[in-house]
Amino acid sequence: DIVLTQSPALAVSLGQRATISCKTNQNVDYYGNSYMHWYQQKPGQQPKLLIYLASNLASGIPARFSGRGSGTDFTLTIDPVEADDTATYYCQQSRNLRTFGGGTKLELK
Amino acid sequence: QIQLVQSGPELKKPGESVKISCKASGYTFTDYAMHWVKQAPGKGLKWMGWINTYTGKPTYADDFKGRFVFSLEASASTANLQISNLKNEDTATYFCARSALQWSPFDYWGQGVMVTVSS
Repeated sequence: DIVLTQSPALAVSLGQRATISCKTNQNVDYYGNSYMHWYQQKPGQQPKLLIYLASNLASGIPARFSGRGSGTDFTLTIDPVEADDTATYYCQQSRNLRTFGGGTKLELK
Repeated sequence: QIQLVQSGPELKKPGESVKISCKASGYTFTDYAMHWVKQAPGKGLKWMGWINTYTGKPTYADDFKGRFVFSLEASASTANLQISNLKNEDTATYFCARSALQWSPFDYWGQGVMVTVSS
């Protein structure tokens, strides 16, 4: 199984940059694509797709969100952070079936 | 517009069974796979598996083999999740979510169904 590891929480000030990391125990690259996706989930809501294939912005997602990485190390960046960004962020791999990271709760300082 | 609308909350006793549904609209049902995701209270997302909506073939994650069954009512554009012999640890919100291809992300999600198992 591919295991994804995220830090449990991150506190950032409004207007600053938030960088959320996701590390995998196996390479999730295949034929030039990194099979890593990012989701945002607010309390009581279903998750929402933010980034797919490591760095592609999903439809309707503001450009403040960006993703990068390859192999086993990936990051989601929010710059600048707005109040509405407080949520839990999950990474997900689709290289071999599917697994999610444990989630990173983004809070404001 | 594309929607995945799930059935309502369920309260069950240990040992009972539950069947929850996910009705798709706004797209061709059989063009997209349907996945199921579990979220226990206060916990993260756990992928349960997926069903090929064209062939009806299900694939289960290791932790969800045995008591869990994915099925379809393709004529009604509906995917179902049945859990038998319910246990307290099945208490969770269950989401359906679609993906275009085997590697694709989940671009649309249902609103989730809360299943509570309590004696």
